[in-house]
Amino acid sequence: AQTVTQSQPEMSVQEAETVTLSCTYDTSENNYYLFWYKQPPSRQMILVIRQEAYKQQNATENRFSVNFQKAAKSFSLKISDSQLGDTAMYFCAFSQGAQKLVFGQGTRLTINP
Amino acid sequence: DTGVSQDPRHKITKRGQNVTFRCDPISEHNRLYWYRQTLGQGPEFLTYFQNEAQLEKSRLLSDRFSAERPKGSFSTLEIQRTEQGDSAMYLCASSFLVRGGAYNEQFFGPGTRLTVL
Repeated sequence: AQTVTQSQPEMSVQEAETVTLSCTYDTSENNYYLFWYKQPPSRQMILVIRQEAYKQQNATENRFSVNFQKAAKSFSLKISDSQLGDTAMYFCAFSQGAQKLVFGQGTRLTINP
Repeated sequence: DTGVSQDPRHKITKRGQNVTFRCDPISEHNRLYWYRQTLGQGPEFLTYFQNEAQLEKSRLLSDRFSAERPKGSFSTLEIQRTEQGDSAMYLCASSFLVRGGAYNEQFFGPGTRLTVL
C-alpha cells in the first residue's frame, strides 16, 4: 500500500519569504502522480501543482514549484514570494493515474504580515 | 457556480441515528469520490464511482456505510447507527476521465461536517 508522510505539522514564515514544505512517499509502482493540494481555512481543497513520475523535469506553476526526487521518494513544494493568501493547510498526495488519492497528514502554513 | 456542491454543510446528530449526505458533482463528470477527513488529518479515501458503478470501497467503509450514485449524476452517502467516531468532514470530489486517459484532476466540494453527540 502506498503511504505519504509530511513531517512538518506546522510552519510559519513572513510575507514575501520563500518556504519549502516536505513530503516523502512510499510505493513500489513506477508510474504514478504526485500532487500538492491547498485547503484554506473553511474553504474547499484546490489543486496547487501536479507532477508525473515519468517526467524528470520538476513542475512549476507561477510561484509554486516542486523538487521531485524519484529515487529518494521525495516531493517538496517551494512557495516563492509568499503571500497572506497562501495561509492554508497543504496536503501532499499520491495517485496511480486515475485512481483514488492517498494524502499525507498535512502541513499548516501561516504567512505572517 | 458550477463546482462540486454538498448538502448539508453541517449535520449534528445523536449517536444511533441515521444520516444521509448528498454530493452533486460538476456536470458531466463521470467519476465521483468520497473521502473522510478527521480533525488535523489528511482526507482518507472511502469509495468511488465511475458513472453509476461503484468501483472501489475502502476497508474504512464499514457495513454501516453505504453510498449510491443511481443515475450517474449525484451521489448519496448514508451512515446508519452513527457512532461518535464517525464525527468528521465528509468530502466529495468529481472528475472527468477520458476513455484511455491516464489521469483525471479531482475537484473537491466544500464538505459536510458531521458531529455525532
